[in-house]
Amino acid sequence: QSALTQPASVSGSPGQSIAISCTGTSSDVGGYDYVSWYQHHPGKAPKLMIYDVSNRPSGVSDRFSGTKSGNTASLTISGLQAEDEADYYCGSYTSRTTYVFGTGTKVTVL
Amino acid sequence: EVQLLESGGGLVQPGGSLRLSCAASGFTFSSDAMSWVRQAPGKGLQWVSAITGSGDSTHYADSVKGRFTISRDNSKNTLFLQMNSLRDEDTALYYCAKEHQSHQLLGGMGVWGQGTTVTVSS
Repeated sequence: QSALTQPASVSGSPGQSIAISCTGTSSDVGGYDYVSWYQHHPGKAPKLMIYDVSNRPSGVSDRFSGTKSGNTASLTISGLQAEDEADYYCGSYTSRTTYVFGTGTKVTVL
Repeated sequence: EVQLLESGGGLVQPGGSLRLSCAASGFTFSSDAMSWVRQAPGKGLQWVSAITGSGDSTHYADSVKGRFTISRDNSKNTLFLQMNSLRDEDTALYYCAKEHQSHQLLGGMGVWGQGTTVTVSS
């Protein structure tokens, strides 16, 4: 199972909005509404930010939003803040009853 | 508070075995599927294995199938990963993770432990 494709890096200034794409296939991202997004600060445990494509767990800021079109999902961070600087991974259920993560995107706040 | 605490990592030679444990607390353990996820040094997250809440169904990444076995003891709120025939490429930080939604499998991992380090080297 190949990893989902994400851009290696995305950057933005405080207050701006950025979007991270996550491209898979019809056997994962495109076939199911079980796409999640995780925030990972180095040395800490990953944190679930979005599940089921567009739902936010309790406690996650509404500055984070998720969408999906075809085989590509996207995470948008609005009103970018310094604390948002981290690695972000998408993840998806697959047709083989496995799970696949994206390649990861490093978000830099300029 | 939901907590996951991994243990059992260490240094092992290629071809060796190791058993990881993950002690869970703060939730109804038997209701939730669990996964192991790893991160090799300088690399991204890689899903390794998952098990349903009852333990009656297990799933593996191709890279570990036939070598790793996931299991759970719901009476002790503990998740395990038995790793055999270890290879250099299994070197990683291993996290256990709890499914975000009860009675769902591989829909998203809502709580993660801090991880335990496995190093495979001669």
